[in-house]
Amino acid sequence: SAVISQKPSRDICQRGTSLTIQCQVDSQVTMMFWYRQQPGQSLTLIATANQGSEATYESGFVIDKFPISRPNLTFSTLTVSNMSPEDSSIYLCSASGGRGGYTFGSGTRLTVV
Amino acid sequence: GNSVTQMEGPVTLSEEAFLTINCTYTATGYPSLFWYVQYPGEGLQLLLKATKADDKGSNKGFEATYRKETTSFHLEKGSVQVSDSAVYFCALSDSNAGNNRKLIWGLGTSLAVNP
Repeated sequence: SAVISQKPSRDICQRGTSLTIQCQVDSQVTMMFWYRQQPGQSLTLIATANQGSEATYESGFVIDKFPISRPNLTFSTLTVSNMSPEDSSIYLCSASGGRGGYTFGSGTRLTVV
Repeated sequence: GNSVTQMEGPVTLSEEAFLTINCTYTATGYPSLFWYVQYPGEGLQLLLKATKADDKGSNKGFEATYRKETTSFHLEKGSVQVSDSAVYFCALSDSNAGNNRKLIWGLGTSLAVNP
């Protein structure tokens, strides 16, 4: 199955700034997904990214706050914009290669101060 | 809509005890079912999966059987180890979603195994 390299693994950011998280997949994948995981909680899907089209955002998430790029079949970025302490969380990317196979990046632990 | 209901934790067991973590689902069609594990400080890893009724997924001594009649996918292990301490997530993939096969997640069950 695909292997995903996600970076940065952690960061501490000032409020009002933006952070871009990158995910590189070692093979071409159809769909990529971006999740947020609050401490001790389950995963919340932010958006689904298909190559060559705009990302599809879940309820409660908007493109202005979480712009996503998917320039090719092996790479995606998520930007957390104009950060506030409420954005402190773990952000995870995931890739679907079809037929139910999903792989996750190791996560980005974001702290906004 | 589709949903996953997972046994609440935390679960605390002694080493070599038998583990069951219950998971039931609601879905139309024929979803694929998954168990993911998250070890402390790490990302999610696929533990096992089953794609059709009566399939049994297994890995690292863990097993789960896709039971369509009871809409369940309970995770079991005969003898847990301290290294199994982690958070376990049950999930399903909507088979009717076409190319947008996002996962529907349970809330996670924290397992602590004591020596």
